[in-house]
Amino acid sequence: EVQLVESGGALVQPGRSLRLSCAASGFTFDEYAMHWVRQAPGKGLEWVSGINWNSNNRGYADSVKGRFTISRDNTKKSLYLQLNSLRADDTALYYCAKDQGDYFGSGSYYDSWGQGTLVTVSS
Amino acid sequence: QSVLTQPPSASGTPGQTVTISCSGSNSNIGSNTVNWYQQLPGTAPKLLIHTNHQRPSGVPDRFSGSKSGTSASLAISGLQSDDEADYYCAAWDDSLNGRDVFGTGTKVIVL
Repeated sequence: EVQLVESGGALVQPGRSLRLSCAASGFTFDEYAMHWVRQAPGKGLEWVSGINWNSNNRGYADSVKGRFTISRDNTKKSLYLQLNSLRADDTALYYCAKDQGDYFGSGSYYDSWGQGTLVTVSS
Repeated sequence: QSVLTQPPSASGTPGQTVTISCSGSNSNIGSNTVNWYQQLPGTAPKLLIHTNHQRPSGVPDRFSGSKSGTSASLAISGLQSDDEADYYCAAWDDSLNGRDVFGTGTKVIVL
């Protein structure tokens, strides 16, 4: 059974940094692209970032480009998201999601999701 | 921020068919496949339909998807009370550097 467990969410002040983690199990982690998707309170879903199986391509939403960095460690079966220069509108539940393929892009879809980790940005 | 437009809500009585539309453009739905996700209250999203009309194993055939041009739709037939949830369409968008985009979401209400 595929399991994705996010951690690292917290209450942080604007301008500060945070690192989210996602521990994967139940599948061959290094064969799949991975993503972060977020959901602000009471709002819809927003794709944040994606990374290929071998980390050689990463993509970001315009709203986080230059501030967030996605990475992965296939030896640890873990996905990460470094969040810098946090703003109030980054407040959201951040989901880790498994792609159906090894490269993200056209044809991607998310066949497994974690339960999310909450990031709250407030002074 | 969402580039895929869905109606905010849709409703029906048990047993009826509800259809949700998803309107996009040439750079997303017009060029790429559409996926649908179901989010039950208080839970993570779940893949419902992928590649326009494909159902993952375990998804009842009451759920069906279709795509035409720059629009897509999700139909729920034989509506049940536990279908009450938020539904999101999604597609890759080729504009800028490429990104995945979600629809605005539709809340399905079972009357």
